[in-house]
Amino acid sequence: EAQVTQNPRYLITVTGKKLTVTCSQNMNHEYMSWYRQDPGLGLRQIYYSMNVEVTDKGDVPEGYKVSRKEKRNFPLILESPSPNQTSLYFCASSFGTQLSTDTQYFGPGTRLTVL
Amino acid sequence: AQSVAQPEDQVNVAEGNPLTVKCTYSVSGNPYLFWYVQYPNRGLQFLLKYITGDNLVKGSYGFEAEFNKSQTSFHLKKPSALVSDSALYFCAVSFPLRKAGSYQLTFGKGTKLSVIP
Repeated sequence: EAQVTQNPRYLITVTGKKLTVTCSQNMNHEYMSWYRQDPGLGLRQIYYSMNVEVTDKGDVPEGYKVSRKEKRNFPLILESPSPNQTSLYFCASSFGTQLSTDTQYFGPGTRLTVL
Repeated sequence: AQSVAQPEDQVNVAEGNPLTVKCTYSVSGNPYLFWYVQYPNRGLQFLLKYITGDNLVKGSYGFEAEFNKSQTSFHLKKPSALVSDSALYFCAVSFPLRKAGSYQLTFGKGTKLSVIP
């Protein structure tokens, strides 16, 4: 089944404790991205990657890191989480050949709480 | 600046009645417009998109959207609402970034649709 998976789905952590949220897609997509969803703000893009070893900042990259060592994986790293990073996070992917018109495929989301 | 707006935070409609979820956009050049739906505790799912051509776009689950260039709108519609349509709906616009070949998808804030039995 074609899908985007994220782990963990739920995470409660404390300020400053490094964490990684994994994202994997099995559709051989080139383009992957991370969004955070906050009430009243919709989805905001954190980082995106157009291919292996190619990443770039989105609208709200502060406090986050990403890497793209393999085509299928795009982990999101919070080196020193803070309470303002409490949010619902979504990973998404698309074929990437026509980024302007591609359909995005979203993972199920990771609800992160930073105490 | 490129932007997309969903003027209603919530829309309530009775089951069986037609529904409309509004979206307006501001994009220089040709707009590429999308609707996504988010059911409770799920990720976003693609509904439909407008790239070019016919202004009326048909999508999944009986939804359609009408592109109106003069009003810069892309409203989502369905002739007869179902209780199962209750969800959060997001309009999105794609626009090019400064980096060649790179695009960004900007989402509206979402509209919660409640279909009342």
